Amino acid sequence: DAKTTQPPSMDCAEGRAANLPCNHSTISGNEYVYWYRQIHSQGPQYIIHGLKNNETNEMASLIITEDRKSSTLILPHATLRDTAVYYCIVRIDRGSTLGRLYFGRGTQLTVWP
Amino acid sequence: SQTIHQWPATLVQPVGSPLSLECTVEGTSNPNLYWYRQAAGRGLQLLFYSVGIGQISSEVPQNLSASRPQDRQFILSSKKLLLSDSGFYLCAWSRGQETQYFGPGTRLLVL
Repeated sequence: DAKTTQPPSMDCAEGRAANLPCNHSTISGNEYVYWYRQIHSQGPQYIIHGLKNNETNEMASLIITEDRKSSTLILPHATLRDTAVYYCIVRIDRGSTLGRLYFGRGTQLTVWP
Repeated sequence: SQTIHQWPATLVQPVGSPLSLECTVEGTSNPNLYWYRQAAGRGLQLLFYSVGIGQISSEVPQNLSASRPQDRQFILSSKKLLLSDSGFYLCAWSRGQETQYFGPGTRLLVL
């Protein structure tokens, strides 16, 4: 019930940009796209989120297509510490269940030297 | 700033024993609180969430229960652990529908 599709794994060379894709073709108009990452044996770390417009913060950029059916998380200069599982999540609101997130399997990003 | 704590960090328990995992949040009031479980190699599964003291909603039927005795305290419990309860348990908080922030997690191994 994750509502998103991500490739299971990706590689990236250190210092290069990492572009992680996500498909969310059934997204509704008021649903946000969230990105988290999880480094092994740690809790998930919030990265960025967006609704329609592209977003950028100190960690990453989020590019959302005009039809909102897909998005790309960009890590502009990947480092070895960016090796993690990256989760793309569509936030679902149902009645009183505020802010619930559904996590899928994510993408294992491996940054190599 | 807000911080979220979980303890213990790791726990090994025999089958049939009770369980109590604790989560506390500092630096905010009236947060939404969540318990997730992550089995090995799997994504996160939402178990419980709470929008206020004494208000608990369960996502999936299971051997576990949750309680919220204080505004910033969330407890996950079991009367009798099963092997299938092994996993990585994560607590999270949010302000209403805003971003969820996760704690460091508790790794539970039931033998």
